Amino acid sequence: AQRVTQPEKLLSVFKGAPVELKCNYSYSGSPELFWYVQYSRQRLQLLLRHISRESIKGFTADLNKGETSFHLKKPFAQEEDSAMYYCALTNSGGYQKVTFGTGTKLQVIP
Amino acid sequence: DAGITQSPRYKITETGRQVTLMCHQTWSHSYMFWYRQDLGHGLRLIYYSAAADITDKGEVPDGYVVSRSKTENFPLTLESATRSQTSVYFCASSSPGTSIYEQYFGPGTRLTVT
Repeated sequence: AQRVTQPEKLLSVFKGAPVELKCNYSYSGSPELFWYVQYSRQRLQLLLRHISRESIKGFTADLNKGETSFHLKKPFAQEEDSAMYYCALTNSGGYQKVTFGTGTKLQVIP
Repeated sequence: DAGITQSPRYKITETGRQVTLMCHQTWSHSYMFWYRQDLGHGLRLIYYSAAADITDKGEVPDGYVVSRSKTENFPLTLESATRSQTSVYFCASSSPGTSIYEQYFGPGTRLTVT
């Protein structure tokens, strides 16, 4: 069974400080991993995916298969980064079932 | 994005009543999903559909019914609402032919069962 764990419900950081939102997964095959973000009063939207190896809004995430982790990082937090972040996993073939973690609320303190 | 909409956006109902939440998408995405969002549980999949007339259970299907007679619509029905079904419900869609496995979410429906 596929599983996503986000150990922190709430993460508070000061503006300008580095951010790391933790995500660990369990999956027997080759997973596709994503981070979704939900800003206040907005719908959930894709932030980034590991296959693209992209940086979106200054955020990056590296898939570490040895540690089965996909932590989201940003070197300098901004107030507008305050939001709910969900790590998600799906299988790489066939049915597009996505398993979401429980989410981490990021609070950036001015 | 106006591509996927949900109605109503807010709903208050009484225990035991039947409630239907609507979801409509204009992209002709083959896959559609229903999730519920609860504190401490994140997003949990209720039902999904791979195409019209093809639906299957997700993680928490009990007490819910879905149908998909048309590609663009995926209604979710609570047959006899219970207080434990108070939640925010999100509909999503995706297509294997576009961004790989990215799901597009609707704005959500906040349902309160009294």
